[in-house]
Amino acid sequence: EVQLVESGGGLVQPGGSLRLSCAASGFTFSNYAMTWVRQAPGKGLAWVSAISASGGSTYYADSVKGRFTISRDNSKNTLYLQMNSLRAEDTAVYFCAKAYGLGSYYASWGLGTLVTVSS
Amino acid sequence: DIQMTQSPSTLSASVGDRVTITCRASQSIINWLAWYQQKPGKAPKLLIYKASTLESGVPSRFSGSGSGTEFTLTISSLQPDDFATYYCQQYNSYSTFGQGTKVEIK
Repeated sequence: EVQLVESGGGLVQPGGSLRLSCAASGFTFSNYAMTWVRQAPGKGLAWVSAISASGGSTYYADSVKGRFTISRDNSKNTLYLQMNSLRAEDTAVYFCAKAYGLGSYYASWGLGTLVTVSS
Repeated sequence: DIQMTQSPSTLSASVGDRVTITCRASQSIINWLAWYQQKPGKAPKLLIYKASTLESGVPSRFSGSGSGTEFTLTISSLQPDDFATYYCQQYNSYSTFGQGTKVEIK
């Protein structure tokens, strides 16, 4: 059974940094692209970033480009999202999801981790 | 960037009703479209991918159709468990979600 467990969320001040992790199990992690999707309180889903299976290709939404970095450690079956220069509008629940490519639907999702950017 | 527009934003319906949600893309996405159901405090659940392929385990009352720029999700007979928010997603070019359609009890 596929399991994705996010961690690392919390309260951070504007301009601060946070690193999210997503621990994967139940599938061969190194064979799949992965993605981050976020959902601001009371709002819809928004794609944030994606990374290829090898980690060699990465893509970002314009809203986070230059501030967020997606990475993965296939030896640890873990996906990361380094978030710098955080803004109030980055406040959201962040979900990781298993993908079938850099453009893909998402059949497996984690439960999400809440990031709150506030002073 | 490809924009996705769902309609309606909110839909009031009764158990047993046939429900249709529309999703329009700002340019052709061929059939690279998925539909999700989300309940409060939960992760989205994949219902349909490639516009009309039902995900394993999803009830057959859910169906999807369309191609190019216009797509629909149909629930043939609304059940109590179906009251939720539904999102479309294009994955022809990276990924974009629609703004969501909340299906409420009438």
